[in-house]
Amino acid sequence: AQKVTQAQTEISVVEKEDVTLDCVYETRDTTYYLFWYKQPPSGELVFLIRRNSFDEQNEISGRYSWNFQKSTSSFNFTITASQVVDSAVYFCALSEALYLDSNYQLIWGAGTKLIIKP
Amino acid sequence: GAGVSQSPRYKVAKRGQDVALRCDPISGHVSLFWYQQALGQGPEFLTYFQNEAQLDKSGLPSDRFFAERPEGSVSTLKIQRTQQEDSAVYLCASSLEGGSALSYNEQFFGPGTRLTVL
Repeated sequence: AQKVTQAQTEISVVEKEDVTLDCVYETRDTTYYLFWYKQPPSGELVFLIRRNSFDEQNEISGRYSWNFQKSTSSFNFTITASQVVDSAVYFCALSEALYLDSNYQLIWGAGTKLIIKP
Repeated sequence: GAGVSQSPRYKVAKRGQDVALRCDPISGHVSLFWYQQALGQGPEFLTYFQNEAQLDKSGLPSDRFFAERPEGSVSTLKIQRTQQEDSAVYLCASSLEGGSALSYNEQFFGPGTRLTVL
């Protein structure tokens, strides 16, 4: 069965600290996609990154970086030098897409609420 | 605008009332998803359309929930005889077409409809 676990319910740090959000996933398939989304207080889901299961190269985008490790089924997200505007709920999600036109629904973790204090 | 829109943004219903939630996907997007997000939780899949065909409705929690997309564009999620446990944010997402092992088409999310059942 597919499952995404975000063990950290809430994290609070002071601005400019680095923070890592953990994500552990379960899937029986060898081909899958992993995602991170941000949900600010306004409620709209903002796409951050997608990673194909065949690509384990870590990615950096500005202050954001992602560490994908298939050996531990983890896809962790780090924010460097956090800012107050980073405060939001962050979701990790998994999708399997094996067949053309299949239902590639997203399986979501419960989310981690990140609070950045000034 | 060019994004996914949903209406109404907020809906308050008395227990037992019927409600209808509307989703306008991005023009030309073939796939449309509905998700339910309870307070403090990650979204959960409800149903999936490819054009006007409802290919998967396995996530609908009961037969009080009904979704349609008669012309392959706008979709309506209807909840009959609402119950308090139906209170949640209902998210709609659309994408170009189905995914495959080699490609993935991004799901774009609307702002959601927050349903409160009293």
